[in-house]
Amino acid sequence: GESVGLHLPTLSVQEGDNSIINCAYSNSASDYFIWYKQESGKGPQFIIDIRSNMDKRQGQRVTVLLNKTVKHLSLQIAATQPGDSAVYFCAENSGGVTGGGNKLTFGTGTQLKVEL
Amino acid sequence: DGGITQSPKYLFRKEGQNVTLSCEQNLNHDAMYWYRQDPGQGLRLIYYSQIVNDFQKGDIAEGYSVSREKKESFPLTVTSAQKNPTAFYLCASSIRRDSEQFFGPGTRLTVL
Repeated sequence: GESVGLHLPTLSVQEGDNSIINCAYSNSASDYFIWYKQESGKGPQFIIDIRSNMDKRQGQRVTVLLNKTVKHLSLQIAATQPGDSAVYFCAENSGGVTGGGNKLTFGTGTQLKVEL
Repeated sequence: DGGITQSPKYLFRKEGQNVTLSCEQNLNHDAMYWYRQDPGQGLRLIYYSQIVNDFQKGDIAEGYSVSREKKESFPLTVTSAQKNPTAFYLCASSIRRDSEQFFGPGTRLTVL
């Protein structure tokens, strides 16, 4: 079956360094991917998304890279700050919904810890 | 302010009781979703609704029920049939298929 998984459950980085969070997906038909940030006790917040017709998209301090050949997604955070400490989830649009709305399959998450 | 609200933030329930979690959005989104999150895990889809008066089961619908009588509201009832209801419940909405889902702040349900 389809799955979305993350390579590392915990990632520790020094403040000011760049962070790279990886995600593997298995559904080659997925055409839309999202990264979310979730702080403890809160709902996930949208960070950035990318469609399958792109291989890179940049936001403010974040970049998402999509490699469809190996079904790999990554989130890069530049100049990581203490406020970036959270769990990061990737999600893929696994389809199964016609018309409006989408069905997302979420990975298990990576805990990013920023050390001062 | 536009957004999604969930209430209550914390909810305690005795075993054998049904409980209803509220989710309201003023984003004018057609689609709404309910997820369950257990500690250290990702989100699992319980139910979703693409339009008023229509909803479909997600991956873990057993022991849950929903209704979608209004576009803004998508309440979730956790019934006594749900074997392990203690979890963090998240509601979300989206405007279309290829757009992000916006999440509410969540309700933490504890069964005593």
